[in-house]
Amino acid sequence: DQQVKQNSPSLSVQEGRISILNCDYTNSMFDYFLWYKKYPAEGPTFLISISSIKDKNEDGRFTVFLNKSAKHLSLHIVPSQPGDSAVYFCAATLASGTYKYIFGTGTRLKVLA
Amino acid sequence: EPEVTQTPSHQVTQMGQEVILRCVPISNHLYFYWYRQILGQKVEFLVSFYNNEISEKSEIFDDQFSVERPDGSNFTLKIRSTKLEDSAMYFCASSQTGQGAGGYTFGSGTRLTVV
Repeated sequence: DQQVKQNSPSLSVQEGRISILNCDYTNSMFDYFLWYKKYPAEGPTFLISISSIKDKNEDGRFTVFLNKSAKHLSLHIVPSQPGDSAVYFCAATLASGTYKYIFGTGTRLKVLA
Repeated sequence: EPEVTQTPSHQVTQMGQEVILRCVPISNHLYFYWYRQILGQKVEFLVSFYNNEISEKSEIFDDQFSVERPDGSNFTLKIRSTKLEDSAMYFCASSQTGQGAGGYTFGSGTRLTVV
């Protein structure tokens, strides 16, 4: 049951350039999407979210784009910094009626100095 | 910044033994969760807990699992008779509201190894 997919297990980007992490989902009922970052030996840390009524949400260097017709979202990090090196998970949920997130398998981002 | 605390960080147990994983959620949070991540796989929802009862659980959360909030601060996950396939990283999380949109705060996890 892969309702949320991250097809790129890893990504390497030069410091200062843009990192683009992608996520696809299959369940059109999802109406809220989140990105989490995870360092080794730590729990996931909430980064940014977006409601299905929007197509873009920005927070500092992080921007999430949502394309509902394609059931696709992406996280842009500009400019990328070495400290951004981590595993990034996208997650999806319903805004009400459930408490659970459905996570993707993660993309390991490495930002090269 | 407030954090969710999990103990122990690593637990090794014999197959068939009971384990209790402990969590201290953020003090003003009302909703509590357990997730797990088997090595190399995605983070999976186990259970959510609110007002001293389970509000939602996944098909993974069978009769071998139970959760409890024994006092005002701790939130525990018990596995009654561990199996090899229970080996995973277990994450506790909490949130102020139960709406899935709010974003949880996760703990650092307990790595459970069943041998």
